[in-house]
Amino acid sequence: VHLVESGGDLVKPGGSLRVSCAASGFTFSNAWMSWVRQSPGKGLEWVGRIKRDTDGGTADYAEPVNGRFTISRDDSKDTLYLQMNSLKAEDTAVYFCATGGASYFGAWGQGTLVTVSS
Amino acid sequence: QSALTQPASVSGSPGQSITFSCTGTSSDVGNYNLVSWYQQYPGKAPKVMIFEVIKRPSGVSNRFSGSKSGNTASLTISGLQAEDEAYYYCCSYARSNTFVFGGGTKLTVL
Repeated sequence: VHLVESGGDLVKPGGSLRVSCAASGFTFSNAWMSWVRQSPGKGLEWVGRIKRDTDGGTADYAEPVNGRFTISRDDSKDTLYLQMNSLKAEDTAVYFCATGGASYFGAWGQGTLVTVSS
Repeated sequence: QSALTQPASVSGSPGQSITFSCTGTSSDVGNYNLVSWYQQYPGKAPKVMIFEVIKRPSGVSNRFSGSKSGNTASLTISGLQAEDEAYYYCCSYARSNTFVFGGGTKLTVL
């Protein structure tokens, strides 16, 4: 299992950014997938998850990002996305994608850094 | 959803057994057998060590074990080794289809 995040960048408050997670080594379309973030020097925070299409393909979100962030997937490209809008300084973090989201998070990527600052 | 409560730090000597606690509420830890534990070295991605309270993924040493009583989950490491020095995070499924992590515990091997 190999997960590679990309797209992290410096963004101004109120701005938008999409980060991606390229998956390989497993059947991506069969997997629930999740995003977890970690602010600098802080602990882990669950961001959200997306079910596989056969389980409805719906997404669930943590309260701090609900309504601002959208998780999607492209099973034809084995890629997971996180669209982040109305970004705030407190969204500054390393964003990890991970397999799972039904009961635990199995494999993790190395993370991509998103910095929100003017 | 408030974070699960973990002690900020614990320490132990090589060969000892050490137990981490993770306290939640009846809305998360106490209501679901969906507690997992993650080991993280600084600058690295987390690694799952225990899932569904007591299950150990293949490849994880049997020195790691999990348990739960009421609203508190625990991770025990037996035969402590220098390589175990890392941060440990607990996580639980919570109501409304969400997950909540603990603040993390730094393990120091003396």
